[in-house]
Amino acid sequence: NAGVTQTPKFRILKIGQSMTLQCAQDMNHNYMYWYRQDPGMGLKLIYYSVGAGITDKGEVPNGYNVSRSTTEDFPLRLELAAPSQTSVYFCASSYGGQGAMNTEAFFGQGTRLTVV
Amino acid sequence: AQTVTQSQPEMSVQEAETVTLSCTYDTSENNYYLFWYKQPPSRQMILVIRQEAYKQQNATENRFSVNFQKAAKSFSLKISDSQLGDTAMYFCAFMEYGNKLVFGAGTILRVKS
Repeated sequence: NAGVTQTPKFRILKIGQSMTLQCAQDMNHNYMYWYRQDPGMGLKLIYYSVGAGITDKGEVPNGYNVSRSTTEDFPLRLELAAPSQTSVYFCASSYGGQGAMNTEAFFGQGTRLTVV
Repeated sequence: AQTVTQSQPEMSVQEAETVTLSCTYDTSENNYYLFWYKQPPSRQMILVIRQEAYKQQNATENRFSVNFQKAAKSFSLKISDSQLGDTAMYFCAFMEYGNKLVFGAGTILRVKS
């Protein structure tokens, strides 16, 4: 199994450009998350989804949009990129449901985004 | 809203010694899960240990154990017999059942030879 796959791994954007970070998981997980990690800092939740068609804001949603049309995919859209969005972006997924074994989150390798 | 606080930005420990990383959290719920994740320089996020709030017994995984104090909302990680490969950023994380997974700011742990 591939697990959680993020594309691209690296990207440089100019201010004002838009792009979509792709995230796909093949584990039939219900829960999916997008985080950003600034250098030397923790992970801040941008958006999350508990199932297809359901999304909700996290701590830092401004400047981002998401959709969840399928169980497998959870793309993150950046509109009008700004230097403050320079960060490493992580997608994660977990099965959800009751029970500790269902709560482990599996992470993608991250996307390093630079806005210049 | 749930918050997770890690008050130690950096820690260091000698190889083979024991170190404890601190974490506190805030919630009004009774059922939830707590985690410690490790992020080595490769950036990969690795689950170290997890604890279910309704279980009073502290979780252990080989050299890693937790001290879970539910009333105090405290969840510390103890690493015994520290190894050079334990050098990483460690994140405490919290999840209510059916809800989002929230991380603390992290603690950089350096194991010295």
